[in-house]
Amino acid sequence: DTEVTQTPKHLVMGMTNKKSLKCEQHMGHRAMYWYKQKAKKPPELMFVYSYEKLSINESVPSRFSPECPNSSLLNLHLHALQPEDSALYLCASSQVQLPGGYTFGSGTRLTVV
Amino acid sequence: AQKVTQAQTEISVVEKEDVTLDCVYETRDTTYYLFWYKQPPSGELVFLIRRNSFDEQNEISGRYSWNFQKSTSSFNFTITASQVVDSAVYFCALSEGNRDDKIIFGKGTRLHILP
Repeated sequence: DTEVTQTPKHLVMGMTNKKSLKCEQHMGHRAMYWYKQKAKKPPELMFVYSYEKLSINESVPSRFSPECPNSSLLNLHLHALQPEDSALYLCASSQVQLPGGYTFGSGTRLTVV
Repeated sequence: AQKVTQAQTEISVVEKEDVTLDCVYETRDTTYYLFWYKQPPSGELVFLIRRNSFDEQNEISGRYSWNFQKSTSSFNFTITASQVVDSAVYFCALSEGNRDDKIIFGKGTRLHILP
């Protein structure tokens, strides 16, 4: 299995909703990442987990809450989002200390209404 | 501060033409890594290549080739005999040796291959 699977592929949520994005990989990668990508922009790093521990939080607002329950799963919990949070959310994984050779999922396209 | 510049916002070429995507980077580190990723319309980012700062050898993989020149801080990507399936956004990216868990992407070049 050489894939990163993200669900759902599309999500529409209201500003008062609580939802979660899910990311799963079975490649034995111990580093997992959340990126946010606005339209026609490059991806921007949000969070990095290394060995299931949060190692980087790029000053992301607390309405985004990451969770890594085990080495294969990465969640992003969403609460009280704003319309400007609408974007493509990409999950990636890699071997630890192997820079940049990420395997990305196809993303969740989030619309906040 | 590290920075990646992809000056070409959008390029259109006719199928079978060769096309080069430019990438210029800035970093103060002597140890760093450079990457190219492809993002087709489906959305996922596809890793194409990683090059470390100590390896200036050019690389060829099928129709793809990369030219790394430290003297000009460039890491250009050439597609030979382009195909419609090459249409995508291509990102050049950089990570510094002490932050190998964080990569900085350029703004991307949108490549259109016309049939």
